[in-house]
Amino acid sequence: DAMVIQNPRYQVTQFGKPVTLSCSQTLNHNVMYWYQQKSSQAPKLLFHYYDKDFNNEADTPDNFQSRRPNTSFCFLDIRSPGLGDAAMYLCATSRVFGTGSTDTQYFGPGTRLTVL
Amino acid sequence: SQQGEEDPQALSIQEGENATMNCSYKTSINNLQWYRQNSGRGLVHLILIRSNEREKHSGRLRVTLDTSKKSSSLLITASRAADTASYFCATDPENTDKLIFGTGTRLQVFP
Repeated sequence: DAMVIQNPRYQVTQFGKPVTLSCSQTLNHNVMYWYQQKSSQAPKLLFHYYDKDFNNEADTPDNFQSRRPNTSFCFLDIRSPGLGDAAMYLCATSRVFGTGSTDTQYFGPGTRLTVL
Repeated sequence: SQQGEEDPQALSIQEGENATMNCSYKTSINNLQWYRQNSGRGLVHLILIRSNEREKHSGRLRVTLDTSKKSSSLLITASRAADTASYFCATDPENTDKLIFGTGTRLQVFP
């Protein structure tokens, strides 16, 4: 089945130690998104790629970076994780039409990040 | 800025009852979508309603959209314990290529 895969499902890192989360998709969607979700809160969009174009949300800390080497893969890099970065990180993909209308988003299972 | 607000924040009902969740948003949209999230899992798309549609059905789900009031509702009929989850509305604002999620409603259905 076509799907969105996130690895690892659980990641433990130390305060200040860089960490990379990965996402891959078999849907061939042109847009990939990274969300941060803390307990009992809505997913918060960090950034997204429209094809190769990177779109950062205004309130995303510089500590968060992303790479999309090809259509299928997208990475979230946290350069110096702080305790406040402990959260679930969700990757999603979607088709975006030429009019700018967003279709259904397909989510991966998420990576739960713990910062010690 | 947060686009969607949902109410209630939490809802507890018995199996067989209907559950209604409401979503309000702020700007013009292309479409509005509803998602479900089981605890600790990713989100699953339930239904998409376009700005020129007023009502849509999918199985036990019924979604309405009132663009003049900038609001939507999700009705789950004949609820089951397996419907226990958080439900989020998400709007697709015009001239963007992203979704903005609402605050969510936590639904608990007791057997």
